[in-house]
Amino acid sequence: NAGVTQTPKFQVLKTGQSMTLQCAQDMNHEYMSWYRQDPGMGLRLIHYSVGAGITDQGEVPNGYNVSRSTTEDFPLRLLSAAPSQTSVYFCASSRDSYGYTFGSGTRLTVV
Amino acid sequence: GQSLEQPSEVTAVEGAIVQINCTYQTSGFYGLSWYQQHDGGAPTFLSYNGLDGLEETGRFSSFLSRSDSYGYLLLQELQMKDSASYFCAVTRNQGGKLIFGQGTELSVKP
Repeated sequence: NAGVTQTPKFQVLKTGQSMTLQCAQDMNHEYMSWYRQDPGMGLRLIHYSVGAGITDQGEVPNGYNVSRSTTEDFPLRLLSAAPSQTSVYFCASSRDSYGYTFGSGTRLTVV
Repeated sequence: GQSLEQPSEVTAVEGAIVQINCTYQTSGFYGLSWYQQHDGGAPTFLSYNGLDGLEETGRFSSFLSRSDSYGYLLLQELQMKDSASYFCAVTRNQGGKLIFGQGTELSVKP
């Protein structure tokens, strides 16, 4: 099993550009989440999903959109990138919401 | 809103025991979990407490007191490889919404 796969691993964007961070899991997990982590900080929840077709906002949702059309995929869209969105983004999934498996992260720089 | 408090740094020696505390304030509390992260890599799940009491997994134990809004992670027989950041996290509203604390950086010295 691949677990949670995030692509790309690194990305540089110019201010104002849009892009989609991909996240896929092959464990048939219902729960999926997106986090961002800034240097020396904890993980802040952006958006989460409790199943296909169901998403909700986390702590810092502004500037990001998500959709969950399938159980496997949970893409995160940056609508108009800003330097404040420079961060490491982690996707995570869980069967029962008690313990999450994390992807290896996408390191995003907005210039 | 919600808040989680944990120490920013802890230092211990190899072979010792260390306890990392976590206090929380949140509505809709469902459970407390702990994650380990090495050098900015993927966080890994360590333990989950939904009920009061102690959960033991090898060298790691985790405790929860819902009445005190408090929990801790206990690491025994510390090894150099345990040097990492440790995060407590609360599950709100029966799942889906997992909120993390700021993390505790543990340094294990020889």
